[in-house]
This record gives sequence, C-alpha cells and structure tokens, in this order.
Amino acid sequence: SQTIHQWPATLVQPVGSPLSLECTVEGTSNPNLYWYRQAAGRGLQLLFYSVGIGQISSEVPQNLSASRPQDRQFILSSKKLLLSDSGFYLCAWNGGNTEAFFGQGTRLTVV
Amino acid sequence: QQQVKQSPQSLIVQKGGISIINCAYENTAFDYFPWYQQFPGKGPALLIAIRPDVSEKKEGRFTISFNKSAKQFSLHIMDSQPGDSATYFCAASPLDSNYQLIWGAGTKLIIKP
Repeated sequence: SQTIHQWPATLVQPVGSPLSLECTVEGTSNPNLYWYRQAAGRGLQLLFYSVGIGQISSEVPQNLSASRPQDRQFILSSKKLLLSDSGFYLCAWNGGNTEAFFGQGTRLTVV
Repeated sequence: QQQVKQSPQSLIVQKGGISIINCAYENTAFDYFPWYQQFPGKGPALLIAIRPDVSEKKEGRFTISFNKSAKQFSLHIMDSQPGDSATYFCAASPLDSNYQLIWGAGTKLIIKP
C-alpha cells in the first residue's frame, strides 16, 4: 500500500534561518507531488507541484523553493525564513486515480 | 474561471441534523469533484467524490449532489454527529490538469451535542 511520510511534525525557527522540509512517498512510482501551505483557519494554498524528477512548477512567487531529487522525494526549502512563512505545510501526492493523499503536515512557527 | 467558491465559511449544526455545504465553479472543463475532511493538526483525507455523469452519490451518511447546468455541487451530512466536526474542503479537477485539484476555501463544521 502507498504511504506518505512528512517530517518534522513541528518546527520552530528564527527569522532569517534556512528551512528544509522533506516528504517521501512509498508504494508507488512516478507520483505527482505537491506542497501546500495552510494558514490558521484558512484554506489550502498550492505552493509547488511536480510531475517528475527535476520538474517543479511554482504557483505562488515567494520566499520558498522546492526540489525533487528522486522520484518519490519532494523537498521544500528556504534560504532565509520570514515571519510570514509560518503556517501548516502539507505534502501530497496523487497518481492516475485522481485521489490526493496528504501527509500529516508540518507546523512551522517562525519567531 | 479556475476558482471554486465554497460556502458557508463556518457552520454550526445540532447533533442529528443535516449539514449542507455548497460549492460553485465556472470552468466547464472540470470533471472530478471530491470532498475532503480535515481534523485539526492533520492532513485532509478524501471523503467522497463524484464525476459529472451522475447527479448524486451517497456513501453512508454523506451525499454529494451535483447540478451540472448550475455548475454547483454540495455535500450533505445526514444525522450529523459530534465526530463529524472538522473542516471540509470541496475541490475540482480539469481533465487536462494531470489531476491537479483546485480547492475551495473550506468550511469549518461544528456539530453541537
């Protein structure tokens, strides 16, 4: 069966520090991968999606970047965090059957 | 034209009542309409989904009603229970998007015991 791992679950980082969130998928190959951000009490904002290794599409210009170094690995990064980067970050994947599966999320607080 | 508009933003329903959440879209190329349920601190999970070739789909207490001509679809939760308290998201996906979902803004549902 397919599973998605996302870590860490919570993270407190100072302003100006770098960020690296990792997401891996098991049990499938060539998944579509997504990074979303969710502000408190708000909807899902698509940040990046990838349809293959090295293929990244950015939906929102911002302080973040994404990379897909392996088929089932998706990384969200920042060189210098801003206070406005705080939020709940969700990784997701889907394959040919359209249903999107989400990770458990990372609660990022920038202080 | 890519938007999915969801209402209401929040909803309080008595236990045993019917919860109704509505979504509307503009893009006639959308052909997949799922509803996701999200509990606090967790990722969303698929609840139920429909394609435009049917007007209704029911799974247990959850029903999607789909009106293609009005470009609207809704989630009905019958006999609502406190455990249904969560945030609900509608979404839609165009045929040619590699199944990238366009999300509604979410509805926070509270079921009062």
